Amino acid sequence: QQQVKQSPQSLIVQKGGISIINCAYENTAFDYFPWYQQFPGKGPALLIAIRPDVSEKKEGRFTISFNKSAKQFSLHIMDSQPGDSATYFCAASITGNQFYFGTGTSLTVIP
Amino acid sequence: EPEVTQTPSHQVTQMGQEVILRCVPISNHLYFYWYRQILGQKVEFLVSFYNNEISEKSEIFDDQFSVERPDGSNFTLKIRSTKLEDSAMYFCASITNGAGGELFFGEGSRLTVL
Repeated sequence: QQQVKQSPQSLIVQKGGISIINCAYENTAFDYFPWYQQFPGKGPALLIAIRPDVSEKKEGRFTISFNKSAKQFSLHIMDSQPGDSATYFCAASITGNQFYFGTGTSLTVIP
Repeated sequence: EPEVTQTPSHQVTQMGQEVILRCVPISNHLYFYWYRQILGQKVEFLVSFYNNEISEKSEIFDDQFSVERPDGSNFTLKIRSTKLEDSAMYFCASITNGAGGELFFGEGSRLTVL
């Protein structure tokens, strides 16, 4: 059973455009939703995270939108840059327990 | 900036051989994890470790796998008899406590089983 479903699998965006990656979850007990960025040959690195008591969190060009009733959350990358080209993973966890990762989205930002 | 360090970065082994992957978590962290990522696929949970014992493990973490914290700093993953399908990147991760803080990943150990 896949705890976290992520889409799309791959995404190509023009420089300056908006990249949007979506995730959906089933377990309503999840209380922490991070997004990780992974460059080839590197480990995932935390990009931004949200808890279900807020509907949106913004850090620079990165925004998480969270819809508790729909059990969905998304990552928006504004003004996408070639340096943002990486694989992005959403995740969900119950505090103190394992993190469940989505299947990843390969983002390519073309100049 | 604190970091999780892993060794070796790449190991090639013959099928049936034992492999030990090593990790040094961030010093004040209390929860430790091993994750696996087969090339091009998602990050899969293997095992979590807290207070010197396994707190949770996945179906992947069968009897061929074991973890150990032999001293105050190292955290190891042992695969007793490697199979071809064990070829993957293995990531160690650690977190301060269970309160939903940032999960820090190491750079990974690439295991190739021939």
